[in-house]
Amino acid sequence: DTAVSQTPKYLVTQMGNDKSIKCEQNLGHDTMYWYKQDSKKFLKIMFSYNNKELIINETVPNRFSPKSPDKAHLNLHINSLELGDSAVYFCASSTWKQANTGELFFGEGSRLTVL
Amino acid sequence: SQELEQSPQSLIVQEGKNLTINCTSSKTLYGLYWYKQKYGEGLIFLMMLQKGGEEKSHEKITAKLDEKKQQSSLHITASQPSHAGIYLCGAPVVSGGGADGLTFGKGTHLIIQP
Repeated sequence: DTAVSQTPKYLVTQMGNDKSIKCEQNLGHDTMYWYKQDSKKFLKIMFSYNNKELIINETVPNRFSPKSPDKAHLNLHINSLELGDSAVYFCASSTWKQANTGELFFGEGSRLTVL
Repeated sequence: SQELEQSPQSLIVQEGKNLTINCTSSKTLYGLYWYKQKYGEGLIFLMMLQKGGEEKSHEKITAKLDEKKQQSSLHITASQPSHAGIYLCGAPVVSGGGADGLTFGKGTHLIIQP
């Protein structure tokens, strides 16, 4: 059983389209994150959710909107996709306590390619 | 904002040899975390260091945080093919802990040659 699962794993789309990436965790965690790994391999945090509340948004354009329908899910919706949005997007989860020790559980990533 | 510089960027090592990966921070580290990423997969947590001078080991991987808490090294003894992957160091975005998110270095690509 996959602990943190993301769908889709691969996504190819045209500029200007709107797309979503879904994330689900079955670990009972209360904190979830979205990270972006760009072509230069930098892995940067985008959003952090604790108990369905947004904790942090690291200067992400408002075309990106996270949605957490419940503690086990954190979806990422992207409007008006741009070429620069091409990247691998990783979902991660943890308990608040574990996260403070740096232990996050990552999904396998969703590779988004914008043409 | 804190930046983490890793060296080397890539490393090719013959199986059985030892190797070291370094992570240098632009600011004092309030926690340093090592992760491993296999190609095409997510990251796996290896270990956490918090105190200056702290050293931790997991199987054949040892990591240390220097006294001044601005640099960490990861050492692999008698490398095996299973050690191949990308090693990333991470640090809390804010000094209070990692729960608000982590910032990562670019990673070190490790290839083990048989």
